[in-house]
Amino acid sequence: AQKITQTQPGMFVQEKEAVTLDCTYDTSDPSYGLFWYKQPSSGEMIFLIYQGSYDQQNATEGRYSLNFQKARKSANLVISASQLGDSAMYFCAMSALGDMRFGAGTRLTVKP
Amino acid sequence: EAGVAQSPRYKIIEKRQSVAFWCNPISGHATLYWYQQILGQGPKLLIQFQNNGVVDDSQLPKDRFSAERLKGVDSTLKIQPAKLEDSAVYLCASSLNLAWGETQYFGPGTRLLVL
Repeated sequence: AQKITQTQPGMFVQEKEAVTLDCTYDTSDPSYGLFWYKQPSSGEMIFLIYQGSYDQQNATEGRYSLNFQKARKSANLVISASQLGDSAMYFCAMSALGDMRFGAGTRLTVKP
Repeated sequence: EAGVAQSPRYKIIEKRQSVAFWCNPISGHATLYWYQQILGQGPKLLIQFQNNGVVDDSQLPKDRFSAERLKGVDSTLKIQPAKLEDSAVYLCASSLNLAWGETQYFGPGTRLLVL
């Protein structure tokens, strides 16, 4: 069975600083994808970044990077140079057979 | 490229009433998903379609929920009769295909309140 764990219900970060959001996962499938989504108060889930289980390099997308440690089964999201617009819920998700499972989410608040 | 469209955006109904949600996926996306997101939780998959066939509906409460994707494009999710615990955001998503590495793109969701 797949499981995604996000242990930080809430995080605060000062504007322009970097922040790391934690995510651990559990699966017995060798092939899987790891995703991070942002959900602002408007409710829409916005895709941020993807990491495949066979990818050797950590994924990066602009200010977002994914710190993938396969042996530890962790896929932490790093946001550099935080902006006020980054305040939102962030969800880690995993897909092994096409069905995506989500963590409980982390609420990030960026302070001016 | 247009994103995933959903309607209505908001719905308030009394318990035991019925309600239907509509979703139009991104053009060309073969796989369509319906999720339920209860306040304070991550989305939970209800059902997924590959073209017009059901791939997984193991978490769909079939005594009251139904979904269809007749022509392999848009889809409707129905609840009949609604219960108080059905109050949630219903998210529709689509992906190019059904594979472990496919990114799912979400619509704006429908917020349902059951009184």
